[in-house]
Amino acid sequence: AQTVTQSQPEMSVQEAETVTLSCTYDTSESNYYLFWYKQPPSRQMILVIRQEAYKQQNATENRFSVNFQKAAKSFSLKISDSQLGDTAMYFCAFNSPGETGANNLFFGTGTRLTVIP
Amino acid sequence: ETGVTQTPRHLVMGMTNKKSLKCEQHLGHNAMYWYKQSAKKPLELMFVYNFKEQTENNSVPSRFSPECPNSSHLFLHLHTLQPEDSALYLCASSQERTSGYNEQFFGPGTRLTVL
Repeated sequence: AQTVTQSQPEMSVQEAETVTLSCTYDTSESNYYLFWYKQPPSRQMILVIRQEAYKQQNATENRFSVNFQKAAKSFSLKISDSQLGDTAMYFCAFNSPGETGANNLFFGTGTRLTVIP
Repeated sequence: ETGVTQTPRHLVMGMTNKKSLKCEQHLGHNAMYWYKQSAKKPLELMFVYNFKEQTENNSVPSRFSPECPNSSHLFLHLHTLQPEDSALYLCASSQERTSGYNEQFFGPGTRLTVL
């Protein structure tokens, strides 16, 4: 079974500063996908960024970027120029085409991020 | 309506009640999912439907009964629940994946409280 670990239950950051959320995962697959999802207090979960394991280049979406270390099975999320609207739960998730139930996403326990004005 | 919608947003029920949660997706997807979200635990996948056929049932107790009448609608029928079933229930949808990644789109959830 796949496991996704987020070791930081809560974090805070000053507005306009940079914060990094950690995620590690365990898999024997070589081809897989990693995601960061954001769940604001309104509860609608939305995709922030995704990374394909066969791509060495780290994904970037505006102020959000990842540091993907395949050998270390690490997938951290960096949020630059933090904004109040970034306050949310952030979930790291994993998906592998090679696994049974190939549509399934495996989630971590989440990190609650608070942006302080 | 756009995206994935869920009704009701909040539900309080007794252990002997029968209720249903509804999910509807307006994205043209053909795979739908039910998740249970409890505090300090990873999201738990409960059921997966691909093209209206159930393809995954993660050892969910029979007091939870899913129904997928078409690729746009998904229900979760609840009966004789336990207090530990209180949680946020999330519905999601995606394209049934033959290759590439699986991006799931989530609804806002139903906050269920079992008394």
